[in-house]
Amino acid sequence: AQKITQTQPGMFVQEKEAVTLDCTYDTSDQSYGLFWYKQPSSGEMIFLIYQGSYDEQNATEGRYSLNFQKARKSANLVISASQLGDSAMYFCAMRARDTGRRALTFGSGTRLQVQP
Amino acid sequence: DVKVTQSSRYLVKRTGEKVFLECVQDMDHENMFWYRQDPGLGLRLIYFSYDVKMKEKGDIPEGYSVSREKKERFSLILESASTNQTSMYLCATEVRGQGDGYTFGSGTRLTVV
Repeated sequence: AQKITQTQPGMFVQEKEAVTLDCTYDTSDQSYGLFWYKQPSSGEMIFLIYQGSYDEQNATEGRYSLNFQKARKSANLVISASQLGDSAMYFCAMRARDTGRRALTFGSGTRLQVQP
Repeated sequence: DVKVTQSSRYLVKRTGEKVFLECVQDMDHENMFWYRQDPGLGLRLIYFSYDVKMKEKGDIPEGYSVSREKKERFSLILESASTNQTSMYLCATEVRGQGDGYTFGSGTRLTVV
């Protein structure tokens, strides 16, 4: 079984500052993928970034980077230079790659509010 | 880009009604999923399907069923709606080769009164 834990229900950050959203996971799978999604108030789920468990380098996508620490089973999302449009819910998710089930398991989410 | 369309953005139904939530994708993807989203709980998997007429229970299937008669359409059915099924429902399809990601529909907010 897989489990994702996001311990920050809500976060505030000042515009232009960096923010880290925490995510820890638990799995017995050796090969897995980790995802971050953004959900604005409009409700759509927007894919942000992906990290494979065997990827040696941390993933980066523009202002998003994933701080992957395999031994600690953590996959924190770092947003640099926050913008007002970053205010949203953020979900960490994972999926095993060796087993047949290809569904994502999600954490409970973190609501980020960017203040001007 | 893959498009996943959920037929209704908002629905209000009465307790005991049979409710159909429709999801249609415009690509030839095998894998489709239904999730419900509740505050503080994140997204939880209800059912998924890897092919036509194939379905698998997710983590919270009780009170739900699904239908997949055509590859592009995956329907979630609430046989007898109850107030505890008031939630946001999200459909997704798996997009292989694009960061191993998924594309989600815009969601259906269902209220059962």
